[in-house]
Amino acid sequence: EADIYQTPRYLVIGTGKKITLECSQTMGHDKMYWYQQDPGMELHLIHYSYGVNSTEKGDLSSESTVSRIRTEHFPLTLESARPSHTSQYLCASSGSYEQYFGPGTRLTVT
Amino acid sequence: AQKVTQAQTEISVVEKEDVTLDCVYETRDTTYYLFWYKQPPSGELVFLIRRNSFDEQNEISGRYSWNFQKSTSSFNFTITASQVVDSAVYFCALKRGSNYKLTFGKGTLLTVNP
Repeated sequence: EADIYQTPRYLVIGTGKKITLECSQTMGHDKMYWYQQDPGMELHLIHYSYGVNSTEKGDLSSESTVSRIRTEHFPLTLESARPSHTSQYLCASSGSYEQYFGPGTRLTVT
Repeated sequence: AQKVTQAQTEISVVEKEDVTLDCVYETRDTTYYLFWYKQPPSGELVFLIRRNSFDEQNEISGRYSWNFQKSTSSFNFTITASQVVDSAVYFCALKRGSNYKLTFGKGTLLTVNP
């Protein structure tokens, strides 16, 4: 079982602010992922990484950016938050097979 | 192209009833993996099971069982004697053998009423 952490769990922020959602895992997984999900709805892959200094955009276009400087850390940044960014953001990591998910960050942009 | 279809958007049952969640997949790969995840109201996705394409044995874990049939491209999930704590959104997912990304279905919202 993987241990994967996300902070903050909840965030309410005003339009135009810069935010960084943190994601860390302690299992040494090479692969990490960010998903965007409206509550109870489809999961949309927005970014993924197969290792340090490797990042790719996912299936859903996103204005966010990510970095992978350390194996265990995969932060997501929004330079200028907008109400359309209001959603839940789920981070995951994997070895060769199943992905393990963090608790998510529920972001509200007012 | 890969695709996962969960035709049941919502299911509502009364406690102690058995319930089956359907999952149909499409892939051209011969090596692939299938998964089920549970997402309770708290929001976190919890991994439940993985099956690979070469293993069609059904699996049972407590009140949960899974029926994998390659002939019908289905990987159905049955909860026996459902409980209120089973209320959640359940996602079926598919992974190609050579790829690490998952293709998720749209999920089935299961509500178990007392």
